[in-house]
Amino acid sequence: DVKVTQSSRYLVKRTGEKVFLECVQDMDHENMFWYRQDPGLGLRLIYFSYDVKMKEKGDIPEGYSVSREKKERFSLILESASTNQTSMYLCASSSRDVDTGELFFGEGSRLTVL
Amino acid sequence: AQSVAQPEDQVNVAEGNPLTVKCTYSVSGNPYLFWYVQYPNRGLQFLLKYITGDNLVKGSYGFEAEFNKSQTSFHLKKPSALVSDSALYFCAVRDGTGGSYIPTFGRGTSLIVHP
Repeated sequence: DVKVTQSSRYLVKRTGEKVFLECVQDMDHENMFWYRQDPGLGLRLIYFSYDVKMKEKGDIPEGYSVSREKKERFSLILESASTNQTSMYLCASSSRDVDTGELFFGEGSRLTVL
Repeated sequence: AQSVAQPEDQVNVAEGNPLTVKCTYSVSGNPYLFWYVQYPNRGLQFLLKYITGDNLVKGSYGFEAEFNKSQTSFHLKKPSALVSDSALYFCAVRDGTGGSYIPTFGRGTSLIVHP
């Protein structure tokens, strides 16, 4: 069974802390995504990676950075967490195959910043 | 540019009745269209997609969707709703011509099926 695994389901951090959200996929997908989900706003893309060490900014990259050192792993980093980064974070992956293209999502990481 | 509109924040339907969740899209090239479902405190799960071919697409859990090019719509349907179908539904579009792999999601529609 294909899988996208996010390391933490629930996190509570303090303002100013550095936060790492890890995501691993076992489908050998080229593309990986980090989204943020907030009520009434849907899914907003933070960063996208189409290959190892490659990344593109999404719609809301401010306050975030990413790392993709290996094909299966895509990390989201909050250098200095703020209360407005309290949210649900969703990682996803997809294949470059034109006949597929659907995203496979992890279970999400709910981050609370106090 | 690409965009998706889900005009209803919430849809209410009685169990056993047919359901429709609406989605309209805008894209420059060929539309690749997707539906996803999200249960509480879970990630999104893929339901079905339209890439090419038949306009009526069948997916998981008895859901289907009809691609209508002239109306730029891709409504999700099910003939007989179940209480367990209650969830958040997202429509997404990607430009299949432009070479981008990044989909745009709608804001989601909450489906509530009443017993």
